[in-house]
Amino acid sequence: DTEVTQTPKHLVMGMTNKKSLKCEQHMGHRAMYWYKQKAKKPPELMFVYSYEKLSINESVPSRFSPECPNSSLLNLHLHALQPEDSALYLCASSQKRTGTSSSTDTQYFGPGTRLTVL
Amino acid sequence: QQPVQSPQAVILREGEDAVINCSSSKALYSVHWYRQKHGEAPIFLMILLKGGEQKGHDKISASFNEKKQQSSLYLTASQLSYSGTYFCGTEEARDNAGNMLTFGGGTRLMVKP
Repeated sequence: DTEVTQTPKHLVMGMTNKKSLKCEQHMGHRAMYWYKQKAKKPPELMFVYSYEKLSINESVPSRFSPECPNSSLLNLHLHALQPEDSALYLCASSQKRTGTSSSTDTQYFGPGTRLTVL
Repeated sequence: QQPVQSPQAVILREGEDAVINCSSSKALYSVHWYRQKHGEAPIFLMILLKGGEQKGHDKISASFNEKKQQSSLYLTASQLSYSGTYFCGTEEARDNAGNMLTFGGGTRLMVKP
């Protein structure tokens, strides 16, 4: 089973709203990722969690707040977003990552949440 | 800096072959290839590690030349289901706590009957 699930599938929110995106995997993966993808563009890495700890933050604005409550779950809390934040938000997971570059893992993507900020 | 993919778009007839290239200016540890259909998640195709290896799955294969920091994806006898946008994701040769992929701009491939 290589399934990563994301909810909701679609989300429309105003600039003053607070909402959360949810990602779940039950593959025993210990690394989880958030990507942002604009139309006709490649996915851009936002955050990486490794063993439930935030390991990489690609200079993402503070209106995006990630959370990893346990090894299967990853949330992205949204607050005071701008219309330009409208995009497809993809979650991915991979088995594990050591502290060195001696190994690499397949990242499995979820179907994404299509976010529209009005 | 994101890797450069070429061509940006290609149209094929069913049964024709195609090559998609991915080039980086950085020293790479691995290259990951994905296909994404409109409105769907990127689907993993294969990983290539440094060492100049080649891989293949059915009629899709790839190579990685670490000296040139280039990878190519070969689609043989294309099928309608091959249509989509192909992305290469590159991983630089460095230590970190999560394998960071930087994706190329994508190659839109359309296979026509």
